[in-house]
Amino acid sequence: DTGVSQNPRHKITKRGQNVTFRCDPISEHNRLYWYRQTLGQGPEFLTYFQNEAQLEKSRLLSDRFSAERPKGSFSTLEIQRTEQGDSAMYLCASTRPPDSYEQYFGPGTRLTVT
Amino acid sequence: AQTVTQSQPEMSVQEAETVTLSCTYDTSESDYYLFWYKQPPSRQMILVIRQEAYKQQNATENRFSVNFQKAAKSFSLKISDSQLGDAAMYFCAYMSSNFGNEKLTFGTGTRLTIIP
Repeated sequence: DTGVSQNPRHKITKRGQNVTFRCDPISEHNRLYWYRQTLGQGPEFLTYFQNEAQLEKSRLLSDRFSAERPKGSFSTLEIQRTEQGDSAMYLCASTRPPDSYEQYFGPGTRLTVT
Repeated sequence: AQTVTQSQPEMSVQEAETVTLSCTYDTSESDYYLFWYKQPPSRQMILVIRQEAYKQQNATENRFSVNFQKAAKSFSLKISDSQLGDAAMYFCAYMSSNFGNEKLTFGTGTRLTIIP
């Protein structure tokens, strides 16, 4: 068990470009979450999946954001037409209810939009 | 919507001493989970301790314990025998037990400094 992994760890992009992040959850974790954390703040919920089904999306997830989890394994988060306000750490977490509701976090992808 | 409040942006404690971090939350639900997470500088979020709302007994994990007051909606974290490795941001988090609403709502965090 190697834990939750996220790639890339850092991404610098110019405003208006599209970016995609990947999250690989802990093996056999059926639930996967995306959060966004800005400097000095706690993480904010974006969306989550149970297997391949997207169960909830935050109002923070504008139409420029899309998340997928094909086949219920890894997940991708895409941001289209990036804006400077999208600069943040994007965190992924996974868990396996009902055995456990504890969310295990990955190291995050730090996005900088210039 | 649930909210979580951490009123102490920064705390410091002498090594080997005890420190308590405060957290209050607001919810209309009766069944939920509460967590404390630790985020060391430039490192990933780690779960410190969890508490189920239906349990009256306070959770403990080695040097970490909580004081869960359900009626007061308070969930403080006590760290005993503080160590240098405890220095980090600590986040209190709430999670509903209702299916489809099982996301973490975090407070703004408390930065804990350990003084050697």
